[in-house]
Amino acid sequence: ETGVTQTPRHLVMGMTNKKSLKCEQHLGHNAMYWYKQSAKKPLELMFVYSLEERVENNSVPSRFSPECPNSSHLFLHLHTLQPEDSALYLCASSQDLLANEKLFFGSGTQLSVL
Amino acid sequence: DQQVKQNSPSLSVQEGRISILNCDYTNSMFDYFLWYKKYPAEGPTFLISISSIKDKNEDGRFTVFLNKSAKHLSLHIVPSQPGDSAVYFCAVYSGGYQKVTFGIGTKLQVIP
Repeated sequence: ETGVTQTPRHLVMGMTNKKSLKCEQHLGHNAMYWYKQSAKKPLELMFVYSLEERVENNSVPSRFSPECPNSSHLFLHLHTLQPEDSALYLCASSQDLLANEKLFFGSGTQLSVL
Repeated sequence: DQQVKQNSPSLSVQEGRISILNCDYTNSMFDYFLWYKKYPAEGPTFLISISSIKDKNEDGRFTVFLNKSAKHLSLHIVPSQPGDSAVYFCAVYSGGYQKVTFGIGTKLQVIP
């Protein structure tokens, strides 16, 4: 398998649920990212990891908790979300932080919070 | 306040004609300007870029033009094909460890 893989593709959850989004990259890249795409808004950068170390947290609420156990895997743990958190969550990777203009994206997880 | 503006939410073009997608940015310090393309149910894919020292970059049917004085860039697709129907995101990047900032996207429909 090649590229960036995200699971699940779709997720519906209640406000009291806990769920996790998974991302795996098979490109040998050193940097990984979580982006959020809401309707009629630009892609928003949420978190950046370089070599498993978090290097940026873009003022994201604590109900979103990222985890990067190794350079190939990235998780986004979700708990007590709000309906306004419904969006497309995209994972991306790049060769490293200095080459992050060329991002490789997964297909995303379409999240609906009820 | 949006740093990257794509003022046309959608564009329809006849197959074989030219598609022109426009983008404006606010900060003259950006070093790289990028276009990404997104099909439904897929993530964005990198399409073409241009550095601030150039005013044109061409890759096959795709050409990006940069007008630094106007803080404006455009993507030309010639000739347009139905497979080009997608959402096109303009993005800017300052280089180094800075983040890529995206526009809201323009949905292109190429009509056979």
